[in-house]
Amino acid sequence: DGGITQSPKYLFRKEGQNVTLSCEQNLNHDAMYWYRQDPGQGLRLIYYSQIVNDFQKGDIAEGYSVSREKKESFPLTVTSAQKNPTAFYLCASSMRGDSYEQYFGPGTRLTVT
Amino acid sequence: GQNIDQPTEMTATEGAIVQINCTYQTSGFNGLFWYQQHAGEAPTFLSYNVLDGLEEKGRFSSFLSRSKGYSYLLLKELQMKDSASYLCAVRSGAGSYQLTFGKGTKLSVIP
Repeated sequence: DGGITQSPKYLFRKEGQNVTLSCEQNLNHDAMYWYRQDPGQGLRLIYYSQIVNDFQKGDIAEGYSVSREKKESFPLTVTSAQKNPTAFYLCASSMRGDSYEQYFGPGTRLTVT
Repeated sequence: GQNIDQPTEMTATEGAIVQINCTYQTSGFNGLFWYQQHAGEAPTFLSYNVLDGLEEKGRFSSFLSRSKGYSYLLLKELQMKDSASYLCAVRSGAGSYQLTFGKGTKLSVIP
């Protein structure tokens, strides 16, 4: 079964701790993305990667970091510098090309207290 | 800048037809996507428009007018399971593959 997995579904952390959210895909997609979703807000792009070993900042990259060492994996680290980290985080992937839709993982709901 | 507007909420009756509008003002245009998202779940792809006109896919259709910066999603024969948020997203730059999302329209289908 091809798809995108994110784990865990729910994550709780104390303020001041860094936390890494995992995202794995077996769709053979080159491009991967991280979004954040807050109540009443649209999806906002954090980082994206079009190819292994390359990634670009999205609209709200401050306080986050990523790596893309393998095609299948695009982990997101939420650092202690992120002012409001509590949110629903969605990972997506797509083929390269303007007409291709993005496929989303099930999301990780992060709560920081 | 990028701006995408959708109504926040809509209510419609089971079996009816509903139209969800989306207007956009973006620095470029390279396609418009509609996604469905049930509460707490991942968005799922519904439709893609890049040329003007209507794309039909079963009970769902999507329309685009590039000159007006306008799209709509039409849902026919509404079912209770269609209660969800509908997200409009625009790809504004060729080759970047980035999407800018609207805030979504929460549709409630009532009996």
